[in-house]
Amino acid sequence: GNSVTQMEGPVTLSEEAFLTINCTYTATGYPSLFWYVQYPGEGLQLLLKATKADDKGSNKGFEATYRKETTSFHLEKGSVQVSDSAVYFCALSDLHTGANSKLTFGKGITLSVRP
Amino acid sequence: DSGVTQTPKHLITATGQRVTLRCSPRSGDLSVYWYQQSLDQGLQFLIQYYNGEERAKGNILERFSAQQFPDLHSELNLSSLELGDSALYFCASSGPGYGYTFGSGTRLTVV
Repeated sequence: GNSVTQMEGPVTLSEEAFLTINCTYTATGYPSLFWYVQYPGEGLQLLLKATKADDKGSNKGFEATYRKETTSFHLEKGSVQVSDSAVYFCALSDLHTGANSKLTFGKGITLSVRP
Repeated sequence: DSGVTQTPKHLITATGQRVTLRCSPRSGDLSVYWYQQSLDQGLQFLIQYYNGEERAKGNILERFSAQQFPDLHSELNLSSLELGDSALYFCASSGPGYGYTFGSGTRLTVV
């Protein structure tokens, strides 16, 4: 079945540091890939997505590129801010099984950014 | 407002009891998904309904059940509650071309 593996956390960075959060996946077919963010006490918000190989999703300074050859979708940001402190989830949706298919999530990683 | 409404936001109940969590999807979305988020298990997919019919089932216990009504809102029923059922329960909805939208969740505490 489908699965998503995220790097172990938590991650603590100083403000303006470079961020990379690794995500790899296993899936049949051609999944869409997502990064969701969960701020303290809130629900999940879509951060960015990519629907096919070599697509780059970007939002709020975050980027991730869909790499089919390495089955990866690593999240990067050049300069993190304190307000980026949150839990980040990588997820996939196997649209090959039809529209409106469920999301499979990684375990999530907590990012803390120090001033 | 994400467009997906979950009620109640918080629920505290005793072991052995039964509770019902409610979800109203974003307008026009036919699919509703339920997820359980706990510290040790992460985000686990429970069940999906599409236009009133069960579409997919995940790691949902037999003590749990769900349904989607003709107006497309969904309810998740949890019975014979145990301490380990304490978690955040999320509902999400999706529609063609829109992607997924999550509600803010119901925090269930079983004491």
